[in-house]
Amino acid sequence: SAVISQKPSRDICQRGTSLTIQCQVDSQVTMMFWYRQQPGQSLTLIATANQGSEATYESGFVIDKFPISRPNLTFSTLTVSNMSPEDSSIYLCSVDAVGNGETQYFGPGTRLLVL
Amino acid sequence: AQSVTQLDSQVPVFEEAPVELRCNYSSSVSVYLFWYVQYPNQGLQLLLKYLSGSTLVKGINGFEAEFNKSQTSFHLRKPSVHISDTAEYFCAVSDPMEYGNKLVFGAGTILRVKS
Repeated sequence: SAVISQKPSRDICQRGTSLTIQCQVDSQVTMMFWYRQQPGQSLTLIATANQGSEATYESGFVIDKFPISRPNLTFSTLTVSNMSPEDSSIYLCSVDAVGNGETQYFGPGTRLLVL
Repeated sequence: AQSVTQLDSQVPVFEEAPVELRCNYSSSVSVYLFWYVQYPNQGLQLLLKYLSGSTLVKGINGFEAEFNKSQTSFHLRKPSVHISDTAEYFCAVSDPMEYGNKLVFGAGTILRVKS
């Protein structure tokens, strides 16, 4: 399975500011995904990021609020813009496994608290 | 759209006892099914998956699950749990024909193993 790292691991931010979360994989992958896990809840897919194309957002998530970059096959960023306390969540990236594309492996997550 | 129901939000069990965590999904012609585990303050780790073939799948840490198409279920079992199994367990489904690799997660089941 791929080794996935995320930066930062956690952060405390003030409302109205923005935070960019990085996701790095140790091998080239086709698809990268970004999920949100609100406190005490399950995971919800924010968007799918493919290299060389615009990210595809799920219903309820928009590019202005969650811009995503995917500059190459091993890296992606998610920005949480103009944050409010409701954005306090764990943000996780995942990747599809090389040669086993139906399986997703997850990073350790970024724990965000917005005051 | 696919949906996943985890019937139990919390399951308390004594150490060395057997456990079953239930998962039902909305019907589809073909689905892939997954169980992930999330230890406190960590990301998600893949426990096991069903893609095709044998309906009984074995995973890591002594867990197994059985795919039952007629009951649209994918219950997770372990014959003897350890304190270290205390974690939150998520069932997830993808519908490759309709939605590609997108994962839909259940609400999660917290397994509390008591000594």
